[in-house]
Amino acid sequence: TQLLEQSPQFLSIQEGENLTVYCNSSSVFSSLQWYRQEPGEGPVLLVTVVTGGEVKKLKRLTFQFGDARKDSSLHITAAQPGDTGLYLCAGAGQAGTALIFGKGTTLSVSS
Amino acid sequence: NAGVTQTPKFQVLKTGQSMTLQCAQDMNHEYMSWYRQDPGMGLRLIHYSVGAGITDQGEVPNGYNVSRSTTEDFPLRLLSAAPSQTSVYFCASSYSISAFTYNEQFFGPGTRLTVL
Repeated sequence: TQLLEQSPQFLSIQEGENLTVYCNSSSVFSSLQWYRQEPGEGPVLLVTVVTGGEVKKLKRLTFQFGDARKDSSLHITAAQPGDTGLYLCAGAGQAGTALIFGKGTTLSVSS
Repeated sequence: NAGVTQTPKFQVLKTGQSMTLQCAQDMNHEYMSWYRQDPGMGLRLIHYSVGAGITDQGEVPNGYNVSRSTTEDFPLRLLSAAPSQTSVYFCASSYSISAFTYNEQFFGPGTRLTVL
């Protein structure tokens, strides 16, 4: 069974701080996705990474896929209250038939 | 496009009752799935479908049935509700899946179910 472990589980920071959240597995994934979920809504895709070592930037968010395609990180620069939410990583399961989600990191950014 | 729609938004059931959670998408997506979300547990896959007439079990299928008679609709049936099924249920769809990459999953707004 492929598992995705996310850390930390909770993160509470002040506006302007930088942070990194992690998504790790002992299994190789063909691709990884990051989603953000706001209270009362469904998750929304932020990015998909498919190549080992790949780095993608989305404004203040930087996503990296590990060289061995077993882990990924999300770095936020100068966090803002609007970044508050649940960040979920998800990986393509075996044979590409099921998307597996980590348990998520709950981020709270206060002004 | 309405995207992925789910009904109802909220539901309270008594133990033993049955009900169907509705999910529809208007994007002509082949792949649809149902997840439940519980505090500290993330999203767990219940059932999924890779096309009309094709369904398969996910991580936590017990107590739930699905069918996919059309591309657009993917209802989730609770056969005999139990308090352990109290959760938030999300339906999702995507254009297709493959062994090499994943298309974006579009999620519905969720159904909040309480079983007393």
